[in-house]
Amino acid sequence: GDSVTQMEGPVTLSEEAFLTINCTYTATGYPSLFWYVQYPGEGLQLLLKATKADDKGSNKGFEATYRKETTSFHLEKGSVQVSDSAVYFCPRGIGDMRFGAGTRLTVKP
Amino acid sequence: DTEVTQTPKHLVMGMTNKKSLKCEQHMGHRAMYWYKQKAKKPPELMFVYSYEKLSINESVPSRFSPECPNSSLLNLHLHALQPEDSALYLCASSQYNTGELFFGEGSRLTVL
Repeated sequence: GDSVTQMEGPVTLSEEAFLTINCTYTATGYPSLFWYVQYPGEGLQLLLKATKADDKGSNKGFEATYRKETTSFHLEKGSVQVSDSAVYFCPRGIGDMRFGAGTRLTVKP
Repeated sequence: DTEVTQTPKHLVMGMTNKKSLKCEQHMGHRAMYWYKQKAKKPPELMFVYSYEKLSINESVPSRFSPECPNSSLLNLHLHALQPEDSALYLCASSQYNTGELFFGEGSRLTVL
């Protein structure tokens, strides 16, 4: 069946470092894919999405490309800031409303 | 209007109290969700309403009682809660019960 696997566990980076958080999927067809972010003390919000294969979603300097050849939707940012410290989630399954542990990013000045 | 509004933002209640959490959206979404989130944990799905009918109940104890009075409103009625029920309760909506979720800021509940 359809599923999504996210790299979990904390990530600590220095400011201006490059960020990658891996997310791979298995699916029949090409469903929409999403990344959500939760800043400290807040609810979740959609960070970016891609609705078809080869689409690139982008927002706040973050990007993710829907790559059908590698079945991946990795989240990337070229230069992280302290304000990017948050937990990043991709949903547990295609079209799912459940979330795994997410990836906690801490950016140090 | 792309907001999901939750009230109250903070709630403190005793174990014998009855209270309610409220959630409202005016985006015409037909699916609404309740999640529970403990500190440093991911949101856990509790209930899903699709077209105002309960479609998913993740085996939540009966002391939590959801209600969807119309397509814009979602309530969570609380009764005889335990201290371990203290958490952030998040409401979300989506156009259908798949795809992009819009979350409220949450209601932080403390049970004494």
